[in-house]
Amino acid sequence: DAGITQSPRYKITETGRQVTLMCHQTWSHSYMFWYRQDLGHGLRLIYYSAAADITDKGEVPDGYVVSRSKTENFPLTLESATRSQTSVYFCASSQTGLGDEQYFGPGTRLTVT
Amino acid sequence: RKEVEQDPGPFNVPEGATVAFNCTYSNSASQSFFWYRQDCRKEPKLLMSVYSSGNEDGRFTAQLNRASQYISLLIRDSKLSDSATYLCVVNYLSNFGNEKLTFGTGTRLTIIP
Repeated sequence: DAGITQSPRYKITETGRQVTLMCHQTWSHSYMFWYRQDLGHGLRLIYYSAAADITDKGEVPDGYVVSRSKTENFPLTLESATRSQTSVYFCASSQTGLGDEQYFGPGTRLTVT
Repeated sequence: RKEVEQDPGPFNVPEGATVAFNCTYSNSASQSFFWYRQDCRKEPKLLMSVYSSGNEDGRFTAQLNRASQYISLLIRDSKLSDSATYLCVVNYLSNFGNEKLTFGTGTRLTIIP
């Protein structure tokens, strides 16, 4: 029972490089989410998806791109990484949306140098 | 004013004691309320939803005060394993008809043997 997994768990990259963070869930949940967590801020929603091929912006979408061709996968791409994108990124899923219990992946610690 | 505000703590509490913390929210149209728990360097996990009439789960009691716009979490007979950061989460429907989920920055609790 894998649940929700993220890869890589740790990543160091340079400014300007493209980086893709992967998220995979085995529950067939309709909704998937990407958050970033920084000191002094709560988790902030970057993008979310209600179903395959349906995505929507969250609170802090600039500099990020998402896609969802399959229900179980929801990759997050940083098109040109910046130091301000150094953060811990959490993927989550839920059955019915933002008002439902969310199940989080273990997180990806990304450092942009 | 922040949409969701929590006392960051830390709360240092002896084992066996009762501890309570509050979370205030600014949007009176908020619909759903949750407490999540996050262990150090781990992902958040749902502790409990907060219902209008208040609810209890073992040693944990959650309450909602809509008039004063806050939710609370009470932990009785605290255990060492309760040491964690507790995140307050509020969901509401914006004026534009889209849902928004806001996480507090968390209250750090340490149970002392």
